[in-house]
Amino acid sequence: GENVEQHPSTLSVQEGDSAVIKCTYSDSASNYFPWYKQELGKRPQLIIDIRSNVGEKKDQRIAVTLNKTAKHFSLHITETQPEDSAVYFCAASYPNDMRFGAGTRLTVKP
Amino acid sequence: DAGVTQSPTHLIKTRGQQVTLRCSPKSGHDTVSWYQQALGQGPQFIFQYYEEEERQRGNFPDRFSGHQFPNYSSELNVNALLLGDSALYLCASSSEWGAGLYNEQFFGPGTRLTVL
Repeated sequence: GENVEQHPSTLSVQEGDSAVIKCTYSDSASNYFPWYKQELGKRPQLIIDIRSNVGEKKDQRIAVTLNKTAKHFSLHITETQPEDSAVYFCAASYPNDMRFGAGTRLTVKP
Repeated sequence: DAGVTQSPTHLIKTRGQQVTLRCSPKSGHDTVSWYQQALGQGPQFIFQYYEEEERQRGNFPDRFSGHQFPNYSSELNVNALLLGDSALYLCASSSEWGAGLYNEQFFGPGTRLTVL
């Protein structure tokens, strides 16, 4: 079932601006939250992940924050570049499976 | 070091037929998960194999079955194909971390299945 909600479905930003994508999950037992980037016709690529014992993680221009109380987590991309244009998926581990959001199509305009 | 590989790349079948898709995990990985990704949607978890057994299963009918071999490679079988089974089928491998815990998954390039 779709127990991971992702917003927005599309996002357009100017090169150099920041982009934020938000996801919510429903099971308090979820403990692993990866983010994937998928370019057209290619496989999803893991870009960053976070576990439930951490509130924030950063890797260069990409950061993820997790609010366990509110059951939501967010992806932050700073200083966006045209090559950041892709579909981004969040995911959350559930007791019996891994569930993905519906995706956010990010377009970075030069 | 080869990453996750899948075969075939593309496949066209007709309704009612059966199909087998194959996946070889990344070197050092022992866990294989299968996903179905319909056009414009996120991947949907089908099932996961570890130690040659199905360990977890998503909300898919019994027409979807799988197998894992001693070398950790895996197969996905779909019987009695329906038009709605047309999708990209992704395999992802990871290393076992413990019950209820997850490690990062690496995806294969996928098999594009078209059912006519």
